[in-house]
Amino acid sequence: DVKVTQSSRYLVKRTGEKVFLECVQDMDHENMFWYRQDPGLGLRLIYFSYDVKMKEKGDIPEGYSVSREKKERFSLILESASTNQTSMYLCATRTRVTNYGYTFGSGTRLTVV
Amino acid sequence: AQSVTQPDIHITVSEGASLELRCNYSYGATPYLFWYVQSPGQGLQLLLKYFSGDTLVQGIKGFEAEFKRSQSSFNLRKPSVHWSDAAEYFCAVEGYGGSQGNLIFGKGTKLSVKP
Repeated sequence: DVKVTQSSRYLVKRTGEKVFLECVQDMDHENMFWYRQDPGLGLRLIYFSYDVKMKEKGDIPEGYSVSREKKERFSLILESASTNQTSMYLCATRTRVTNYGYTFGSGTRLTVV
Repeated sequence: AQSVTQPDIHITVSEGASLELRCNYSYGATPYLFWYVQSPGQGLQLLLKYFSGDTLVQGIKGFEAEFKRSQSSFNLRKPSVHWSDAAEYFCAVEGYGGSQGNLIFGKGTKLSVKP
């Protein structure tokens, strides 16, 4: 089974801090995604990447950036955390070879105080 | 633009009763459709998917879904609900064009199960 690991389950950060959320997958998938999930809003795409060093903006990229230096790792960066970025963050991967949908990590619940 | 609508925000059913969760999509071509389930505090798990062929697809945990092109629907069903099915369910469609390969999600339906 594909494993998608998000480094932290729960995180509490202060306003203005730089925050790194890490996602690592072990199955050589090309595509990786970052979503945030909020009650009543569902999942919203922040950024995605089709390959190493490639990144594309999703629907709500403001306040975020990403890094993909290695195929297996996709990092989400909050340059200066704000309280409105308190949310559940979900990482997902998929392969372009076959379409088995996404595989999700367990999520990181970030609270910005 | 592609979109997915799940009209029911919250549904409560009794254990043992049948279940149907609704999903409607807006899409310009033959869609790839998915249902995911999310238990509290967890990531999303794929229940089933439709790409082509038989319009009734079987998934894990006893779930099935039926694709109806004429109604732009992909409703999820289960004949007898178990207490462990309490979770949030998301319908998704794969985007095309600039969003190819990206999933567009509905806002989810939360399922509660009464004993």
